Amino acid sequence: GDSVTQMEGPVTLSEEAFLTINCTYTATGYPSLFWYVQYPGEGLQLLLKATKADDKGSNKGFEATYRKETTSFHLEKGSVQVSDSAVYFCALGNSGNTPLVFGKGTRLSVIA
Amino acid sequence: DTGVSQDPRHKITKRGQNVTFRCDPISEHNRLYWYRQTLGQGPEFLTYFQNEAQLEKSRLLSDRFSAERPKGSFSTLEIQRTEQGDSAMYLCASSLGPGTQPQHFGDGTRLSIL
Repeated sequence: GDSVTQMEGPVTLSEEAFLTINCTYTATGYPSLFWYVQYPGEGLQLLLKATKADDKGSNKGFEATYRKETTSFHLEKGSVQVSDSAVYFCALGNSGNTPLVFGKGTRLSVIA
Repeated sequence: DTGVSQDPRHKITKRGQNVTFRCDPISEHNRLYWYRQTLGQGPEFLTYFQNEAQLEKSRLLSDRFSAERPKGSFSTLEIQRTEQGDSAMYLCASSLGPGTQPQHFGDGTRLSIL
């Protein structure tokens, strides 16, 4: 079945550092890919999405490109802030009657 | 767009008691999902509705769990005879359309079993 693998955390960075969180997937057909962010005590917020190969999703300085050839959707940000500290989930959504499939999450801590 | 709302935010109960959670989806969304999330893990799918029809249930959803979505609007998730292992965050999400569409999540109900 469909699956998502993302890099283990936690990741600790200094403010203004470059961020990459790796995500790879296995899926049949033509899934959509998502990054969600979860702040402490809250639900998941959609950060960005991409619906087809070579699409780039972007939001709040975060970017991810849907790479079908490498089955990847890595999350990047050029300069992280303390307020970006959260858990980030990569997710896959396929056509038909299927729920989202999530990675295990990567905890990011940004220190001033 | 008022977002997905869940009630209560926190529930503490004794083992063996029944609990019920409510989810109000975004009004025009026809699909509603329930997930369970334990500490340090990603959300795990429990069940989903399209309008009022419950279309899929995970093997995680034991006989003690039941979900309804009367009239295709809000949904309830009931857990009967709660067990320690039921302690988790229960997340509700809604979407407009098939699985390739983004799902919008509520803030969840955190269940603690004493």
